[in-house]
Amino acid sequence: ETGVTQTPRHLVMGMTNKKSLKCEQHLGHNAMYWYKQSAKKPLELMFVYNFKEQTENNSVPSRFSPECPNSSHLFLHLHTLQPEDSALYLCASSHGSLQYFGPGTRLTVL
Amino acid sequence: KNEVEQSPQNLTAQEGEFITINCSYSVGISALHWLQQHPGGGIVSLFMLSSGKKKHGRLIATINIQEKHSSLHITASHPRDSAVYICAARANYGGSQGNLIFGKGTKLSVKP
Repeated sequence: ETGVTQTPRHLVMGMTNKKSLKCEQHLGHNAMYWYKQSAKKPLELMFVYNFKEQTENNSVPSRFSPECPNSSHLFLHLHTLQPEDSALYLCASSHGSLQYFGPGTRLTVL
Repeated sequence: KNEVEQSPQNLTAQEGEFITINCSYSVGISALHWLQQHPGGGIVSLFMLSSGKKKHGRLIATINIQEKHSSLHITASHPRDSAVYICAARANYGGSQGNLIFGKGTKLSVKP
């Protein structure tokens, strides 16, 4: 148990659906991250929030919309996704250099 | 070509064997991380190092800054070590957090 939780753990959605992924940490960390892990590809950084402010948007399509209402919670809102967006979405948090990862949400877009 | 390269991509070992996983990087870094990802997705940070060598139990990580190379060693391997091991370089550009650049991972399978 790393202290970073993600819900749901699995999600299947159609291309016209709207869904949200949730990440929560109570480690007192000030930075939170969304990563995408596709099959046979390295982890890709999507977004970084530092003290609730977005400090990195790694050229992510607008169909992915992050939200960080406070330093403990991070959301990833999904709408009109494509089948190629199917992947494992990992949340992480950090205070300093070491990142703590959540278990991920396995997303399948039909 | 990825800025962080790992080898081998897949590794099968017998229980008890000494295992080495290699990581080479081409960017300037402030630190290098070794991560372990178990089936199902959860990732655990094993080491963060910027020089020399670190040891935790049966795991040893080394880094050679001049050669831009790091290795992860597992002594007396066990089936529970079976996982994907990921090398990630923290580039020394990209703001205060720096960017973590990930290798593709090495899938290790330890047979009993």
